[in-house]
Amino acid sequence: DAKTTQPPSMDCAEGRAANLPCNHSTISGNEYVYWYRQIHSQGPQYIIHGLKNNETNEMASLIITEDRKSSTLILPHATLRDTAVYYCIVRAPNTGGFKTIFGAGTRLFVKA
Amino acid sequence: NAGVTQTPKFQVLKTGQSMTLQCAQDMNHEYMSWYRQDPGMGLRLIHYSVGAGITDQGEVPNGYNVSRSTTEDFPLRLLSAAPSQTSVYFCASSQSRGVDGYTFGSGTRLTVV
Repeated sequence: DAKTTQPPSMDCAEGRAANLPCNHSTISGNEYVYWYRQIHSQGPQYIIHGLKNNETNEMASLIITEDRKSSTLILPHATLRDTAVYYCIVRAPNTGGFKTIFGAGTRLFVKA
Repeated sequence: NAGVTQTPKFQVLKTGQSMTLQCAQDMNHEYMSWYRQDPGMGLRLIHYSVGAGITDQGEVPNGYNVSRSTTEDFPLRLLSAAPSQTSVYFCASSQSRGVDGYTFGSGTRLTVV
């Protein structure tokens, strides 16, 4: 599985959009981009995934660049409860990709 | 509720003791894995399994054993606990095929003294 690079930490004002970047320049054609978050010491929670099109669900939006070498997770109206560590990973779910590596993620601080 | 159940939630061991961390899922997922998370760090893959009877090593397998006799269960065994194994352990599962994300358990916090 390809490796990803994320900034170690970011701040965001409550009510504003939080834009979390991820670089995955060595991504393969069959690898999806996944985002998870971990609130305090709870188990990580799946947020969203995508292949090459932008995706949106009730939690967030995922924007993937046309060359697929980077992506951005967008929390449109961040709340204090969105303070967490956010992990970006790439994985090829249909052909294995079982050795999924999580990096250190981005620690997002949402401030009142 | 469907999901991944880990037991125990907390455990204190003495150096040299052995124990088994339990992980069970009721979603009929083929893929299961174990991660450890040290304070302030990301997740590191210990072992994983793509189905009953099939296991493989992750990034940090030393000191741990796994087996997968059923689809539902994937226990992690510490053979001889060491202080360096003090960590929070998370179990995760997913379909092997398809694009669903992983479902994680709530973790086991292990302290080795």
